[in-house]
Amino acid sequence: NAGVTQTPKFRILKIGQSMTLQCAQDMNHNYMYWYRQDPGMGLKLIYYSVGAGITDKGEVPNGYNVSRSTTEDFPLRLELAAPSQTSVYFCASSYSVGVYNEQFFGPGTRLTVL
Amino acid sequence: AQSVTQPDIHITVSEGASLELRCNYSYGATPYLFWYVQSPGQGLQLLLKYFSGDTLVQGIKGFEAEFKRSQSSFNLRKPSVHWSDAAEYFCAVGPPPSGGSYIPTFGRGTSLIVHP
Repeated sequence: NAGVTQTPKFRILKIGQSMTLQCAQDMNHNYMYWYRQDPGMGLKLIYYSVGAGITDKGEVPNGYNVSRSTTEDFPLRLELAAPSQTSVYFCASSYSVGVYNEQFFGPGTRLTVL
Repeated sequence: AQSVTQPDIHITVSEGASLELRCNYSYGATPYLFWYVQSPGQGLQLLLKYFSGDTLVQGIKGFEAEFKRSQSSFNLRKPSVHWSDAAEYFCAVGPPPSGGSYIPTFGRGTSLIVHP
C-alpha cells in the first residue's frame, strides 16, 4: 500500500492564482481530512469528508474548496491564492468507526504565495 | 467541545536522559487519545493510542503514555532519549465514534530538542 499520497510536494503561487492540491489514499478509508500547519500553531482542520459525495467545513475553510467524487481522492482547491494561505498542507485519512480511527497522514505540500 | 493543551512549546533534553511530554485534555467522557510524531519535513506518524483498558500504553520507538482520568492527562514518556527522537510531538483527542462524525482535535505540539 502506498498509504496517503500528496502532490505536489512544493509549489509557489502568485497572488490571485489558483491551484489544486491532490490527495489520494489506497486504504479504502471512509474519512479524509485536509489540515494546514503554520509554525507554532499545530494543525488546523480545513475540510473533511466522511465518504464519497459528502464534505463538510472544518475550522478554517475560507478560501478553499473540496470535492470527493471517489473514496480514494480528496482534492483541495485554492481559487484566489493569498499570502495568508502560505502554509504546509497535510491530507489524512481514517476509518470511520471503531478502534481503527487513527489518522494516516500524507507527506505534505509546502505552499508559498507571493 | 473537546480540547487539548500541550503546555510546553519546546523541551530540551540531553541524549540518554528521560523524557516526559505533557498533554491535558477536556472532554465529557473517556475520549480516544493519540500521540503523533512529526519528523522534520515529514507528515505525522502515530506513536500510540488509548481507547480503553490498561491505562499505560506502549507505542513504537520505545515510547509509552499513561492515561490519568483524575488529572485529564495523557503524558508521553521515554526512559532514554536518542538524538533521532528530535521532532515535533502532537497530542490528539477524539470522541469515541457513536454514529456521528469523528473529528479529532490536535494540540499545538511540543518541539523536542536533543543535545548530544
